[in-house]
Amino acid sequence: AQSVSQHNHHVILSEAASLELGCNYSYGGTVNLFWYVQYPGQHLQLLLKYFSGDPLVKGIKGFEAEFIKSKFSFNLRKPSVQWSDTAEYFCAVNPKTSYDKVIFGPGTSLSVIP
Amino acid sequence: GAVVSQHPSRVICKSGTSVKIECRSLDFQATTMFWYRQFPKKSLMLMATSNEGSKATYEQGVEKDKFLINHASLTLSTLTVTSAHPEDSSFYICSARDIEGQVPYEQYFGPGTRLTVT
Repeated sequence: AQSVSQHNHHVILSEAASLELGCNYSYGGTVNLFWYVQYPGQHLQLLLKYFSGDPLVKGIKGFEAEFIKSKFSFNLRKPSVQWSDTAEYFCAVNPKTSYDKVIFGPGTSLSVIP
Repeated sequence: GAVVSQHPSRVICKSGTSVKIECRSLDFQATTMFWYRQFPKKSLMLMATSNEGSKATYEQGVEKDKFLINHASLTLSTLTVTSAHPEDSSFYICSARDIEGQVPYEQYFGPGTRLTVT
């Protein structure tokens, strides 16, 4: 079965620290990849997405993610986090054979300490 | 960007009653909307895919007679939780796909509805 895993359930960082959140998926075919963020009390928002081309994609608020096909990974990075980055982060995968289905990872809760 | 609204944002109902949740795409047309359920500290679980003018497609394990979905127009889908039980208490989130968007169509998420069944 298709699945998405995220390496960390909860990450705590100090401001200005670097961030990397791991995401791996299990699906043998071609995929579209997403990272969503859910700030406290707010709805899901798209951070960035990968469809094809350059495997290093840049999103909003200084986030970037790298697709490594051989590792089935799509890790999210930010060189210097801010307190306002405190949120829940979800990796999601959309198999290209199934436009509709988006499979979400379990989420990683990020807490940034001022 | 595209905006999706949900109504109500919170609802409390008694066990055995039915509750209707609305999902609207405010500034775009959505032939397809999706209903998710989010448990505390957990990820989103796709419940069903709602297609305008046709029957919804339910994911395995989701009772279609309990979670009634209607997608009567290109901007509105409704989820009705029938004969609600306390275990139906959850956060229900809808998303809508912009038919004018690039392929694959991006999904825009609503703010969610917190359902509490007493």
